[in-house]
Amino acid sequence: DAKTTQPNSMESNEEEPVHLPCNHSTISGTDYIHWYRQLPSQGPEYVIHGLTSNVNNRMASLAIAEDRKSSTLILHRATLRDAAVYYCILRANNNAGNMLTFGGGTRLMVKP
Amino acid sequence: GAGVSQSPSNKVTEKGKDVELRCDPISGHTALYWYRQSLGQGLEFLIYFQGNSAPDKSGLPSDRFSAERTGGSVSTLTIQRTQQEDSAVYLCASSQMLGGGQPQHFGDGTRLSIL
Repeated sequence: DAKTTQPNSMESNEEEPVHLPCNHSTISGTDYIHWYRQLPSQGPEYVIHGLTSNVNNRMASLAIAEDRKSSTLILHRATLRDAAVYYCILRANNNAGNMLTFGGGTRLMVKP
Repeated sequence: GAGVSQSPSNKVTEKGKDVELRCDPISGHTALYWYRQSLGQGLEFLIYFQGNSAPDKSGLPSDRFSAERTGGSVSTLTIQRTQQEDSAVYLCASSQMLGGGQPQHFGDGTRLSIL
């Protein structure tokens, strides 16, 4: 999978929006952009994914740049439960994309 | 609905023993994956199953590791003659089908400790 770059850590205040950036300048035309998060002592949790258009679901929104070389995960109102490591992943639409590979991710800290 | 269920949640065993880890995927999901995650490390792919097709075993680290999926549902990962380096959290995930556009849903894992 193509490489993604994320900040090591970010801080947010509770009940405020959070914008988590991800750069993926080598993305190919058929790569999907996925976001997962992992809370302490839990398995990874799927958050959202998209291909070209912005996406919204009950957990978050995903804003994808027009050239697809970057994306932003938006948590509209951070809660303490959102403190986790967030992983931005590119997944190819072929056999290589069947397995997930996590990079370093962004550790989000939420202050009350 | 019910998510991916793994058992046991914790397993402590002596070096050289065999262990079996179980995964119940989400009902109706045809694809099932095994990963492991060592302390502070990323996700390491082990094996995946898709329907009745032959599994992709390309991530299994040695021939001591094997997995099966019976009836297209429950899967068991077996580690024979365990070694200390096998200590990790073993994670199972499932998805509706294979493909880069398919979200994978994880269980909370089995924490395996080899003494």
